[in-house]
Amino acid sequence: AQKITQTQPGMFVQEKEAVTLDCTYDTSDPSYGLFWYKQPSSGEMIFLIYQGSYDQQNATEGRYSLNFQKARKSANLVISASQLGDSAMYFCAMREDQGAQKLVFGQGTRLTINP
Amino acid sequence: DSGVTQTPKHLITATGQRVTLRCSPRSGDLSVYWYQQSLDQGLQFLIQYYNGEERAKGNILERFSAQQFPDLHSELNLSSLELGDSALYFCASSVGGRDYEQYFGPGTRLTVT
Repeated sequence: AQKITQTQPGMFVQEKEAVTLDCTYDTSDPSYGLFWYKQPSSGEMIFLIYQGSYDQQNATEGRYSLNFQKARKSANLVISASQLGDSAMYFCAMREDQGAQKLVFGQGTRLTINP
Repeated sequence: DSGVTQTPKHLITATGQRVTLRCSPRSGDLSVYWYQQSLDQGLQFLIQYYNGEERAKGNILERFSAQQFPDLHSELNLSSLELGDSALYFCASSVGGRDYEQYFGPGTRLTVT
């Protein structure tokens, strides 16, 4: 069965520093997708970045990049030059490409950016 | 703004009651997913519809049901509500297929008293 593990319940980072949020996953499906979502205190879920299991290069979207290490089954989110507005919950999620296209989420990491 | 709309934004109701949550997907998206976010269970997949047909079921209680209409909007019906059903309910949509992201609506916060 799919499983996503986020081992950092909370992280505190100084503004303008880079931050890495950890995510490991487990699946027996050779084809899958990995996602990161941001949930600010207002509650909405904001899509940040996607990585397919067969993608050769790590995904990047502006200040977000996904450090995909397939052999280690890890998909860490890197945020460069953090901003106060980055303070939020961050969720890693996986979708197996066989069967239901549901997302399975980790427990989340609460990121706090300090000025 | 993801383009996915959900109504109502907040809902307060009593135990034993029935409520309907509504979702309109992004224009062109055929798939609709429902998720429940609670403090103890985290984010869990409930059910998926694709172009009007049920595609997959997750941890959805028998007291809950959903449907997707010909105009592709979807409704999630929750009945015989219990205190434990209090949660944030999200609808997400995608074009469908493995290469497409799921975009989430703003959610409906349900409080059962």
